[in-house]
Amino acid sequence: EAGVAQSPRYKIIEKRQSVAFWCNPISGHATLYWYQQILGQGPKLLIQFQNNGVVDDSQLPKDRFSAERLKGVDSTLKIQPAKLEDSAVYLCASSSESEGTGELFFGEGSRLTVL
Amino acid sequence: AQKITQTQPGMFVQEKEAVTLDCTYDTSDQSYGLFWYKQPSSGEMIFLIYQGSYDEQNATEGRYSLNFQKARKSANLVISASQLGDSAMYFCAMRVGFYFGNEKLTFGTGTRLTIIP
Repeated sequence: EAGVAQSPRYKIIEKRQSVAFWCNPISGHATLYWYQQILGQGPKLLIQFQNNGVVDDSQLPKDRFSAERLKGVDSTLKIQPAKLEDSAVYLCASSSESEGTGELFFGEGSRLTVL
Repeated sequence: AQKITQTQPGMFVQEKEAVTLDCTYDTSDQSYGLFWYKQPSSGEMIFLIYQGSYDEQNATEGRYSLNFQKARKSANLVISASQLGDSAMYFCAMRVGFYFGNEKLTFGTGTRLTIIP
């Protein structure tokens, strides 16, 4: 079974530029998450989708971050304009209520550096 | 609000020794789940072990066991016979509620474990 796919793995941009990250969850997983992990910290949830609807985006900085999950499969997270403090790893995860303990399966992450 | 506390920023352990990573949690919900994840330097988060709040037995998965003390709200991870490949960041996480679509996790700040040969 293929895991959660993310791209790009690494991205370096200057502040005020824009960037987009893509995620393809495990096939059949209805729930998709984007987490932000700043160096030395634990992951923080940005947004959670169930199918193509948003379940929780309370911690998403909506003035600069946006995310969509068209057709309930893959998802895109966009940052525009980027700030220095957005430097972090952006982790995508997916889960299914019918599998195991409902644990989240994570991708390898997209590391963003904002100069 | 839910909170996970990991008080050990870093630990050094001799190879083949057992190690305990501490985790305390805070929630007013009666139904919750506790998870441990491993994050090697490559960055992916690897699921290790799970404990449900109503589980009477402590969870075990190979060399991993979870020392669950509900009254103290602690869920410590025990790794027996540590190996060099265990060197990584370890995160404790909690999920509250068990209805579909509520599987989001709240993470602690992590413990960096280094195994010394």
